[in-house]
Amino acid sequence: EAGVTQSPTHLIKTRGQQATLRCSPISGHTSVYWYQQALGLGLQFLLWYDEGEERNRGNFPPRFSGRQFPNYSSELNVNALELEDSALYLCASSLNGRGGYPYNEQFFGPGTRLTVL
Amino acid sequence: AQSVTQLGSHVSVSEGALVLLRCNYSSSVPPYLFWYVQYPNQGLQLLLKYTTGATLVKGINGFEAEFKKSETSFHLTKPSAHMSDAAEYFCAVSESGPNAGKSTFGDGTTLTVKP
Repeated sequence: EAGVTQSPTHLIKTRGQQATLRCSPISGHTSVYWYQQALGLGLQFLLWYDEGEERNRGNFPPRFSGRQFPNYSSELNVNALELEDSALYLCASSLNGRGGYPYNEQFFGPGTRLTVL
Repeated sequence: AQSVTQLGSHVSVSEGALVLLRCNYSSSVPPYLFWYVQYPNQGLQLLLKYTTGATLVKGINGFEAEFKKSETSFHLTKPSAHMSDAAEYFCAVSESGPNAGKSTFGDGTTLTVKP
C-alpha cells in the first residue's frame, strides 16, 4: 500500500512569491491534514480537510489556504511568502474524520521543505 | 484549549538503559493522546495512541505509555534503549467537538542513544 506522498520535496522561493504544495493521501483516506514544522517552533497545525471541505484551521493568516480535490488529494497554497514561512510542511491523512474522530491514526508524508529567500 | 508540554528537549541514555520521555497535557475534554517518532528527513510515524479503555498502551518497537488522568501525563517508556531509537519524539493531544481534527503537538524531545 502506497503511503502519503508529497511534492515537491524541496521548494525555493523568494519573498512575495506564491508557493503551492501538493499531497496525495493513502488510498481510502478522506481526511488530509497540513502541518508546519519550523525550526525551533515545533509542529503547528495548519488545516484539516475532509470530504472536500475545510473542517478546521490553525492560527495562521489567510494567506495560507488550500483545497481538497474530489480524489481527496490536497493542495496547500502560501501567498505573499515571508522569510518566516521557511519550514518543513507535512501532510498527513486518515480515515473518515467526519463527526470528529480525531483518534483516527494520522499517517504522515515525508514533507516538503520550503525555503524563502 | 488543549496543550502539550514535553519536559526535556534533549534526553541522552546509554544503549540498554531505560528510556523515559515525559509528556503532560491539558485538555478541557477527555483527550486522545499520541506519541510519534520522527527520523531525520522523514515524516512522523505513530508509535502508540490512547483513546479509551486500558490506560497502559503498548506500541511498536517495544515502547509503551501510561495515561494518568490525575497527573495529566502520558509518559513514554522503553525498558532497554537501542541505537536505532535515536530520533525525535513528539507527544500530541487531540479532541472531539469544536476542535476535532486539530492535533496539538509538543515541541519534541530528541533522544540520543550512546553506545
